Formats: sequence, structure tokens, C-alpha cells
Amino acid sequence: NAGVTQTPKFQVLKTGQSMTLQCAQDMNHEYMSWYRQDPGMGLRLIHYSVGAGITDQGEVPNGYNVSRSTTEDFPLRLLSAAPSQTSVYFCASSRDRSHYEQYFGPGTRLTVT
Amino acid sequence: TQLLEQSPQFLSIQEGENLTVYCNSSSVFSSLQWYRQEPGEGPVLLVTVVTGGEVKKLKRLTFQFGDARKDSSLHITAAQPGDTGLYLCAGVRGKGSQGNLIFGKGTKLSVKP
Repeated sequence: NAGVTQTPKFQVLKTGQSMTLQCAQDMNHEYMSWYRQDPGMGLRLIHYSVGAGITDQGEVPNGYNVSRSTTEDFPLRLLSAAPSQTSVYFCASSRDRSHYEQYFGPGTRLTVT
Repeated sequence: TQLLEQSPQFLSIQEGENLTVYCNSSSVFSSLQWYRQEPGEGPVLLVTVVTGGEVKKLKRLTFQFGDARKDSSLHITAAQPGDTGLYLCAGVRGKGSQGNLIFGKGTKLSVKP
């Protein structure tokens, strides 16, 4: 099993550009989520999904969109990148609603100039 | 307001020393997790504690959940350079939604040989 995979590993965007961060898991997990990690702020939840076709907002959803068309994939879209979105982004999955243990991907380091 | 306070924020010790890091809250959690994150990687789950007063051991690491389920501690005996990393606690409030998982900001541990 590859676990949770994320692409790209690094990305530089200009302000106003859009892009999609990819996330996939091969563990047949129902739950998937996106976090951003900033110095001094810890991990903050952006969006999450409890299953294919179902998504919900987390703590910091503004400027981001998600969709969950399959169990395996949970892409995160930045609609119009801003410098405030410079961060390290982590995708995570967990088995189901009664198991909160998260399996994290390796992260995407995004810089917006 | 940070729901989960971790202390200390930074800790630098010599190989062989013992240490304890703390995770405190005024809120009650149904369970609490500890993760370790190494530079450039995603967090990896170490343990989940569920019952108030519970103690779990993982080799040289001892985890304790407070009786009131508001706090937790991680004690490392005879620290080694391989223990270096960011230690994160995460608390689960209520049940049934991944959106209720709250992360602390972490304790950055450096163990020098």
C-alpha cells in the first residue's frame, strides 16, 4: 500500500493563479481531509469529506474548494492564490467516522508570490 | 483561543536525558492522540488514549490521559537523537465528525548526541 500520496511536493504560484493539489489514498478510507500547517499556528482543518460525494468546511475554508467524486481521491483547489495561502498543505485519511486516527500524506509546500 | 495548549513549545536536550511534554485544555475530550512529525514529512500517529487515567507505553515513550480527560502528557525516557521531531497532540470532541479533531501547536524536540 502506498498510503496517502500527494502531488506536487513543491509549488510556486503567482498571486491570482489557480491550481489543484492532488491527494489519493489506497486504504479504502471513508474520511479524508485537508490541513494547512503554518509556523506558530499548528495544523488547521480546511475541508473534509465523510465519503464520496460529501464534503464539509473546516476551520479555514475560504479560498479553497474540494470535491470527492471517488473514495480514493480528494483534490484541493485554490481558486485565486494569495500570499496568505503560502503554507504546507497536508492531506489525511481515516478509516471511518468512529476512527479518528489520521494517516497523513507527505505534504505540499506552496509558496505564493 | 487555542483549545489545546502544548508545553513547552521548544525543548533541546542531550542524549540520555528524560523529558515530559504536556497537552492541556479546559475542554473534555472523548479521546486524545499523539503524533510525531519529522522535518519535510507528515505527522505519524504514535498512540490514542481513550479512558481517563489511561497510561500507554511505546518502548521508551509513556503516554498518560488525565483523569478528567482534559489533559495528557508524553514522557520520554533516555531520549535519543532519533526522537527529534515535532510532537503534536490532537483531541477529539464529541463523536461522529472528523471536524471535531483539534490539534495543538506542537512541541519541537531536539535531542543532541
